[in-house]
Amino acid sequence: KAGVTQTPRYLIKTRGQQVTLSCSPISGHRSVSWYQQTPGQGLQFLFEYFSETQRNKGNFPGRFSGRQFSNSRSEMNVSTLELGDSALYLCASSLGVGSSYEQYFGPGTRLTVT
Amino acid sequence: AQSVTQPDIHITVSEGASLELRCNYSYGATPYLFWYVQSPGQGLQLLLKYFSGDTLVQGIKGFEAEFKRSQSSFNLRKPSVHWSDAAEYFCAVVPRVSGANNLFFGTGTRLTVIP
Repeated sequence: KAGVTQTPRYLIKTRGQQVTLSCSPISGHRSVSWYQQTPGQGLQFLFEYFSETQRNKGNFPGRFSGRQFSNSRSEMNVSTLELGDSALYLCASSLGVGSSYEQYFGPGTRLTVT
Repeated sequence: AQSVTQPDIHITVSEGASLELRCNYSYGATPYLFWYVQSPGQGLQLLLKYFSGDTLVQGIKGFEAEFKRSQSSFNLRKPSVHWSDAAEYFCAVVPRVSGANNLFFGTGTRLTVIP
């Protein structure tokens, strides 16, 4: 099976702009979670989508949003970018049902805000 | 407060030596436990997991971890380290809360392997 793919891998944006990141989960996985990784805050959970619905949300401002499509692909959007949004954004997929809590990560999108 | 603690920020070991990375958690009920590894510029790779049952779990790349309820620990071990094991290692948990699937991570331990 193909792994989790994320596009783009690298992105440079300017403060105030908005950005959309994409994630394609492993085939058959219905849950997609997003995480932000920074040197200062480490790995932090953003949100989880399951069957096109946001099932869980971390402690991030409303500028961070996401959605999931019927084929389980997910996008996350960050509006009005701030310098502090520079980070590695990781997407993880899992079956999302039953007792399966294993999450498989993509390579990430490195976002730099200037 | 609920937390995952990795007390060692950086560990250096010689190639061929044994390795133990520490992880402690503080949750009301034993969470689901995981170890992930991240090589530079890469995503996270799942090494092993503990849900229940046998407290010694085997993972990929020759790693194992032992769950100790009395110490709220889930330490990662490898008997003989290879240079390719140099990476950052993260302990993570999923709390046993219905409907929650999000991982909470420790701060990570960077492993350096010297020849």
